[in-house]
Amino acid sequence: GAVVSQHPSRVICKSGTSVKIECRSLDFQATTMFWYRQFPKQSLMLMATSNEGSKATYEQGVEKDKFLINHASLTLSTLTVTSAHPEDSSFYICSASDSLTGTLYEQYFGPGTRLTVT
Amino acid sequence: AQKITQTQPGMFVQEKEAVTLDCTYDTSDPSYGLFWYKQPSSGEMIFLIYQGSYDQQNATEGRYSLNFQKARKSANLVISASQLGDSAMYFCAMREGVDSSYKLIFGSGTRLLVRP
Repeated sequence: GAVVSQHPSRVICKSGTSVKIECRSLDFQATTMFWYRQFPKQSLMLMATSNEGSKATYEQGVEKDKFLINHASLTLSTLTVTSAHPEDSSFYICSASDSLTGTLYEQYFGPGTRLTVT
Repeated sequence: AQKITQTQPGMFVQEKEAVTLDCTYDTSDPSYGLFWYKQPSSGEMIFLIYQGSYDQQNATEGRYSLNFQKARKSANLVISASQLGDSAMYFCAMREGVDSSYKLIFGSGTRLLVRP
């Protein structure tokens, strides 16, 4: 089946530093990838949608200069949290869709990355 | 306005009994999809079931069924024969549009606890 991986699974960084999270589709080509953020005991909030080879589309209220998204290939998207602050501590989840060969409806989720900013 | 509403923040069910998790949605798009995901404490999102807006039959996947009432804009998840491993957060989600490249909008979730 379709598998999406995320790396790292957990990361702790100091305030003011940047951290990169990778999202990979392992056995399919992901034409579109999505990045979500989930605070404790809350729902998933979409941050941005990225299509391979083009700029990401950010949701309202998400700072594009702070959350840099790159979807350079059909199997890899990265989210870089720049100048991280403690309020950026959250669970970041990516998902990917295979609109070339997959089912028309399904998005495949990665296992998530827990970011803690100290 | 909320696009996806889950009114039950928490639910209890006795093991082996059935439970219904509520979900209502709001859209003016005639083409949409409704999803249910399970999120255990590990955090992974597990896809459970999908219902397309044009599907005539209610979706079923094993012990999961989706009670789709289009006129009432509801898409309740029914879990039959609950198991201890069903204890988790459950999210209802909607996709407006025809394919998987469209974004998902999630409800606030329902925490289900299965009692032995």
